[in-house]
Amino acid sequence: DQQVKQNSPSLSVQEGRISILNCDYTNSMFDYFLWYKKYPAEGPTFLISISSIKDKNEDGRFTVFLNKSAKHLSLHIVPSQPGDSAVYFCAASDNQGGKLIFGQGTELSVKP
Amino acid sequence: KAGVTQTPRYLIKTRGQQVTLSCSPISGHRSVSWYQQTPGQGLQFLFEYFSETQRNKGNFPGRFSGRQFSNSRSEMNVSTLELGDSALYLCASNSLPGTNEKLFFGSGTQLSVL
Repeated sequence: DQQVKQNSPSLSVQEGRISILNCDYTNSMFDYFLWYKKYPAEGPTFLISISSIKDKNEDGRFTVFLNKSAKHLSLHIVPSQPGDSAVYFCAASDNQGGKLIFGQGTELSVKP
Repeated sequence: KAGVTQTPRYLIKTRGQQVTLSCSPISGHRSVSWYQQTPGQGLQFLFEYFSETQRNKGNFPGRFSGRQFSNSRSEMNVSTLELGDSALYLCASNSLPGTNEKLFFGSGTQLSVL
């Protein structure tokens, strides 16, 4: 039972354009959402988060949008850079401490 | 401040053996969580420890166990290894669980079971 789903295993974008990564969830008890970025042979690093009381959070080139009625969130990267090429994981929390529910990940490739 | 440290980085075992993985959290962090990453499955939550007590457990068989020491360091043990246990095992720490504070991950231990 996958409570957090990233339906696109991969995404290829041209440098300078917008990258949009999507994530869907099923559990309405989730109240906090995070995006992590992972390079090969490294652990995931935190990118950006959003509380369920907000619908948008912005940090530099990264913006996360939350649509609670659709149980959908998305990560926008503008402009995309080759260094953004990595696997992006969406994660959700129901405030049970260190337990996060992760999606399967989307591999982003930004081509020069 | 040193990050989350996991040892060893790579491990090769055969079926039926057991393995112990180690994790040192960021100094001052008292919560340690463990995750299993396999291709196509994302990160699956194994368990979480806080102040030497297991607070949360994922849906893994009893062959997977862990513990936390008084200095917050944690170990994870897998007994009677199976081929399907081959994965990247990630440890994460945070200072105060239950506050939606972000997790800090180590680089992981890549376990191969032959």
